[in-house]
Amino acid sequence: SQQGEEDPQALSIQEGENATMNCSYKTSINNLQWYRQNSGRGLVHLILIRSNEREKHSGRLRVTLDTSKKSSSLLITASRAADTASYFCATAGDSWGKLQFGAGTQVVVTP
Amino acid sequence: DAGVIQSPRHEVTEMGQEVTLRCKPISGHNSLFWYRQTMMRGLELLIYFNNNVPIDDSGMPEDRFSAKMPNASFSTLKIQPSEPRDSAVYFCASSLAGTDSEKLFFGSGTQLSVL
Repeated sequence: SQQGEEDPQALSIQEGENATMNCSYKTSINNLQWYRQNSGRGLVHLILIRSNEREKHSGRLRVTLDTSKKSSSLLITASRAADTASYFCATAGDSWGKLQFGAGTQVVVTP
Repeated sequence: DAGVIQSPRHEVTEMGQEVTLRCKPISGHNSLFWYRQTMMRGLELLIYFNNNVPIDDSGMPEDRFSAKMPNASFSTLKIQPSEPRDSAVYFCASSLAGTDSEKLFFGSGTQLSVL
């Protein structure tokens, strides 16, 4: 069963714009991760944020975590056509190894 | 590093046939995961191993599915007999268990079509 739910399901923007997607989850977590999947490929890890962290940056990526609301957001700044992909949040609870993925947000960046 | 290697890349088979999917994790990684991805159910964790030992197989759909990890560099996922509803993309992922090492490295997947 899926733990995280991403919103929106799909997002279409132009190059240079920012893309924001959200993830909500149901149970307590140890950490939350974001992954990217290009069409026909495997998932690639982007960033991990722990339950005691509120914000994290990596290049053009910014992730926030609000454990009181059980939600996270991923912001991609100054988007590029190469950012076109599906983005998944994944939560890790106390039981190590059981990383549960959401349904994903499909992002299309047009030149 | 070559990354996680899965084979075959595509598999088309007929209902009732046995299917074996293969995975070579990243050298040095001690945890291995099998996921299945479908449009309807998204990404589902089927089973994972730590140090070649199956830790949790609660995601395995039914007895037709079995997974083995005979050594640190090889794992198989077998479906016998296969059914059309098994059609999906099967991903293998590996990680190095321990502090700050929870991120997964995924293979390119095996696209399975059962006719």
